[in-house]
Amino acid sequence: DSGVTQTPKHLITATGQRVTLRCSPRSGDLSVYWYQQSLDQGLQFLIQYYNGEERAKGNILERFSAQQFPDLHSELNLSSLELGDSALYFCASSVALAGAFDSYNEQFFGPGTRLTVL
Amino acid sequence: KNQVEQSPQSLIILEGKNCTLQCNYTVSPFSNLRWYKQDTGRGPVSLTIMTFSENTKSNGRYTATLDADTKQSSLHITASQLSDSASYICVVSAGENRDDKIIFGKGTRLHILP
Repeated sequence: DSGVTQTPKHLITATGQRVTLRCSPRSGDLSVYWYQQSLDQGLQFLIQYYNGEERAKGNILERFSAQQFPDLHSELNLSSLELGDSALYFCASSVALAGAFDSYNEQFFGPGTRLTVL
Repeated sequence: KNQVEQSPQSLIILEGKNCTLQCNYTVSPFSNLRWYKQDTGRGPVSLTIMTFSENTKSNGRYTATLDADTKQSSLHITASQLSDSASYICVVSAGENRDDKIIFGKGTRLHILP
């Protein structure tokens, strides 16, 4: 158990809909990362928040957005869903004292949310 | 183009045997290289993190090597166990500022047979 929690575990929805995925980081971690893992693309970094502010951006679509709240939990919002958005979505957390992916910054991954778009 | 290539795509070995997984990268400027273990349906777990100046790092039966000149890394697993069955993902980070990039390999799927 990494200490990172994600809800829900599974989500099934239809194309065109909007969903919200939730992540609670490890106690004491200020940084949250979101990743997408699909069968054909592998893991892809989407976005990072540090202490409530966007810190780094990866391959995140405009239909997707995220935020980090004062209690440090984060939500990933996916809208106008398409079949290709079906994937595992992981949240990770770290202390993030310096750069987003520097060598001192070990990330701990949550169990993921499996999203199925029908 | 920043890329991380892993080989083999999948590997089957008998319990107790050793194996080596490969990772080649073309990422610039190089910051660090990580190996993750991912059990099916679960989040990745970090095995090792190496910077430019480190050429070997161990974590129990896992030993990672890095050759920054040839841009190659390997993960050696000694005396494999059934619990080693998983995907192993090589991840390379570039830069150490707000332009950080992180590039994932597609992983090697390892199956350990009893």
